[in-house]
Amino acid sequence: GAGVSQSPRYKVAKRGQDVALRCDPISGHVSLFWYQQALGQGPEFLTYFQNEAQLDKSGLPSDRFFAERPEGSVSTLKIQRTQQEDSAVYLCASSLAPGPLAGGLYEQYFGPGTRLTVT
Amino acid sequence: SQQGEEDPQALSIQEGENATMNCSYKTSINNLQWYRQNSGRGLVHLILIRSNEREKHSGRLRVTLDTSKKSSSLLITASRAADTASYFCASTPRFGGTSYGKLTFGQGTILTVHP
Repeated sequence: GAGVSQSPRYKVAKRGQDVALRCDPISGHVSLFWYQQALGQGPEFLTYFQNEAQLDKSGLPSDRFFAERPEGSVSTLKIQRTQQEDSAVYLCASSLAPGPLAGGLYEQYFGPGTRLTVT
Repeated sequence: SQQGEEDPQALSIQEGENATMNCSYKTSINNLQWYRQNSGRGLVHLILIRSNEREKHSGRLRVTLDTSKKSSSLLITASRAADTASYFCASTPRFGGTSYGKLTFGQGTILTVHP
């Protein structure tokens, strides 16, 4: 079946430009996560959605980062006024987890990521 | 910042040998998971071990968890060239008894299996 898809796969932006990264989770998955992975590092949590509600955005590095999931399916991560330090792979993951009490027991399915390079 | 630390950072072995990777974490967890990442397939879930479990097997994988030492290990037996990848441990922290599944990753171990 279809997995998590992300687009674009690669994005080059000039410093100061705004970018929008899209994530299509697996159909029916309640939970959606965004992670940022710098070169040579493990992914770091950015934000979490349960359906359309953004329940945790503690990992967003600055107010230039904004995420939404208006209908509880597709999500968009937007970065305004990109900086060179924003260069990374942005990963989206979804899981069936029905709610906050069960999330830890469900596997997260990751998309292929969007590699953002800010020049 | 990342919670977990993994060692070794890089491991190079011959096909058929076993590979052991270790992971440490800092706070109370609900469970710990191991993922594999290579350029062809992205992050793939391998195995999950709950905080009340001590050992778990899946095929050629064996995972142990020691919550008193806040550490876990992943053993891959009879390695194959196709096992070449980066391996990450990821923990789900416990928040007052609830967890929605937020993952905190280690820095990863780069495994190279030579044919």
